[in-house]
Amino acid sequence: QQQVKQSPQSLIVQKGGISIINCAYENTAFDYFPWYQQFPGKGPALLIAIRPDVSEKKEGRFTISFNKSAKQFSLHIMDSQPGDSATYFCAASPISNTGNQFYFGTGTSLTVIP
Amino acid sequence: EAEVAQSPRYKITEKSQAVAFWCDPISGHATLYWYRQILGQGPELLVQFQDESVVDDSQLPKDRFSAERLKGVDSTLKIQPAELGDSAMYLCASSLRDHKDTQYFGPGTRLTVL
Repeated sequence: QQQVKQSPQSLIVQKGGISIINCAYENTAFDYFPWYQQFPGKGPALLIAIRPDVSEKKEGRFTISFNKSAKQFSLHIMDSQPGDSATYFCAASPISNTGNQFYFGTGTSLTVIP
Repeated sequence: EAEVAQSPRYKITEKSQAVAFWCDPISGHATLYWYRQILGQGPELLVQFQDESVVDDSQLPKDRFSAERLKGVDSTLKIQPAELGDSAMYLCASSLRDHKDTQYFGPGTRLTVL
């Protein structure tokens, strides 16, 4: 059973446009929501993360919007650049003392056209 | 910048053979994770260590997979015998004991089973 559902599977955006990737979850125990960026042949790298006590977090051109009641969160990439072309994974985790079980979405392949 | 090291980067083997992957986490990171990432999907946790102890191996196929972190530093993941369905990227990640929400991933080992 997929704990985190991610869409779309692939996305093509013009340079300068806005890229939007959506994720949804069911488990109300999740309280940490990171986004990872993965380039071909590389491991995922943490991009930005949010906790449910805020509805939005912005870091440079990257913004997470979080809707706790709808159990949805999304990544917005403003002024998308060709260098942003990568696969993006959302994840969710319940913070625990022993460690975080990260549940990843299925990924979105983003292509930014020059 | 410190990184998680993994080797080999690529491994091709025939089914029924044994394979082993090695991971060296970032120095000082007490928590180590092994993930499996099937092509086109997000990473899935196989096993998590806290120092030398296994914290979670509920998703590890124990009939053929084993993992160890004898001295609480580097770790080895073994598959014996390998099956066709084991073809995937095997990712290692690590985190600080008190900051488990931030996992740093290595570049992965791409396994192909023929």
